[in-house]
Amino acid sequence: SQKIEQNSEALNIQEGKTATLTCNYTNYSPAYLQWYRQDPGRGPVFLLLIRENEKEKRKERLKVTFDTTLKQSLFHITASQPADSATYLCALDDSNYQLIWGAGTKLIIKP
Amino acid sequence: DGGITQSPKYLFRKEGQNVTLSCEQNLNHDAMYWYRQDPGQGLRLIYYSQIVNDFQKGDIAEGYSVSREKKESFPLTVTSAQKNPTAFYLCASTEQGAGGYTFGSGTRLTVV
Repeated sequence: SQKIEQNSEALNIQEGKTATLTCNYTNYSPAYLQWYRQDPGRGPVFLLLIRENEKEKRKERLKVTFDTTLKQSLFHITASQPADSATYLCALDDSNYQLIWGAGTKLIIKP
Repeated sequence: DGGITQSPKYLFRKEGQNVTLSCEQNLNHDAMYWYRQDPGQGLRLIYYSQIVNDFQKGDIAEGYSVSREKKESFPLTVTSAQKNPTAFYLCASTEQGAGGYTFGSGTRLTVV
């Protein structure tokens, strides 16, 4: 069965540095992968989508890479700010065009 | 502003009781979804609907029921057959093939 793994431990980053989160998957070749931000007690908010034929996608301070050989996506936040502190979720499409979700990585940006 | 409204924000259920969670969207999206979120786990799909008057079971549909009588509305009923209903429930919608999902702010259900 398809499986997604994100670091379960919180990631602590100093303000101004680049935060890098990892999403690994097995047993599948998704057509696309999505990243979301979730704040405590709130619903996830869509950030970026990257397709299998795209190596990299950027949006303001965000950058996502997609390596289908390694079966891995990296999510970068440059010039990180305390307001970037949240849990970040990755999701990939399955064979039925539904999303399979990782458990998320909690990011803490320290001033 | 377009979006998804979930209500109530908090819901308490007694043993043996059915409860209904509301989800309304004004985004004109065809597809709507119900997910359950538990600590340390990814979102798990309960039911989804790609068109009015049609819906499909997700991975954990047992003990839940839905209806899709209107494009804007996709209510979820948690029945007494769901033995462990305490969780955070999220409703989402998307325009088919257009990319990201839009989520509501969630309903936290607790069994008392």
